[in-house]
Amino acid sequence: KQEVTQIPAALSVPEGENLVLNCSFTDSAIYNLQWFRQDPGKGLTSLLLIQSSQREQTSGRLNASLDKSSGRSTLYIAASQPGDSATYLCAVRLRNEDSTLTFGKGTMLLVSP
Amino acid sequence: GAGVSQSPRYKVAKRGQDVALRCDPISGHVSLFWYQQALGQGPEFLTYFQNEAQLDKSGLPSDRFFAERPEGSVSTLKIQRTQQEDSAVYLCASSPSMDRSGNTIYFGEGSWLTVV
Repeated sequence: KQEVTQIPAALSVPEGENLVLNCSFTDSAIYNLQWFRQDPGKGLTSLLLIQSSQREQTSGRLNASLDKSSGRSTLYIAASQPGDSATYLCAVRLRNEDSTLTFGKGTMLLVSP
Repeated sequence: GAGVSQSPRYKVAKRGQDVALRCDPISGHVSLFWYQQALGQGPEFLTYFQNEAQLDKSGLPSDRFFAERPEGSVSTLKIQRTQQEDSAVYLCASSPSMDRSGNTIYFGEGSWLTVV
């Protein structure tokens, strides 16, 4: 059974710092991997999607990398801002026909001004 | 609508009570998903619809859980004889794509269920 682990569980940084969130998965035969953001009391917002054939995706200050063979992904946030405070969730999909996203427990990020 | 809408946003149920949670997906979206998120955990897959067809219900935890989407738009997740372990946020998501990969997926804000 696919398991997704996110480290650290929580992270507190001052504004302006660059930071890295980690995600690992046990079954490397994934179809794609997504990073989501969840604000308190809200649903999930998709940030970046990396197909299994890709190594990284970028959107603004966010960069996600994927090393499928080692079962790892990182989300890099540059020049963090207080508005980045949220829980970041990593999710993998095993097969194209698979409707199931398997999520990690998330990393709760607090960026203080 | 502008986004995925879920109701009620908050529900307190007495143990043994039946509850029904509603999801209004984005208009025209073919795929609809239900996830369960316990406190401090990531969402866990419950079930998936493509139009009115329930193609995957492998994540439903017991036969007390039932989901339907009779006309291929609004969906209802019903939980019978609620138990304390059913307390969680129930997230609905929709996607315009026909395939299950759901690359563009939009989540609602969830229905927060507390069973007392």
